[in-house]
Amino acid sequence: DAKTTQPTSMDCAEGRAANLPCNHSTISGNEYVYWYRQIHSQGPQYIIHGLKNNETNEMASLIITEDRKSSTLILPHATLRDTAVYYCIVRVSSMDSNYQLIWGAGTKLIIKP
Amino acid sequence: SAVISQKPSRDICQRGTSLTIQCQVDSQVTMMFWYRQQPGQSLTLIATANQGSEATYESGFVIDKFPISRPNLTFSTLTVSNMSPEDSSIYLCSGGGTGGYTFGSGTRLTVV
Repeated sequence: DAKTTQPTSMDCAEGRAANLPCNHSTISGNEYVYWYRQIHSQGPQYIIHGLKNNETNEMASLIITEDRKSSTLILPHATLRDTAVYYCIVRVSSMDSNYQLIWGAGTKLIIKP
Repeated sequence: SAVISQKPSRDICQRGTSLTIQCQVDSQVTMMFWYRQQPGQSLTLIATANQGSEATYESGFVIDKFPISRPNLTFSTLTVSNMSPEDSSIYLCSGGGTGGYTFGSGTRLTVV
């Protein structure tokens, strides 16, 4: 079962920051939070991941709460090309589980002009 | 990060036949996975492809139906056997290591 819960859908105006929340209240201490997105008819695209510190790269920022029970993905200046389904995922940490990604239902983000 | 090429990108197959999907990575990767994605749904893990040994299947997926090979650290195949219309889906290959995973663009399979 997925270890994350996300809103089913969200809208954001073009040029504004898109803030996508994720709840992972049962996350274990050494499990990472990953974010991927999937644009229609394409394979999932890696965005960012983190353990407990906030992370930033050229695509987005990841803010993880101190208790690690939730996180927020921030797209600082959303464009129409950012319209996609965004998945917040917990990566299982043990070798026994082959470091699997546990996928939830994702958030459909629609960027509006 | 690794680049994954998957083929075929799509196919239409007759029921009762089998289709083999190939996944090629441009660099050696520790882990390779196969997923299925129904239209409008999230990804479901089929199995972990283990190099030089039998794949590790998730609940609901069996080797007879979805045989997987992984002869080396850059290549894997998934066969969908004795297909039925219920097997119509997108099949995705993924590869990477402890830092993260890359995905192929998927194989859209339609069984008629």
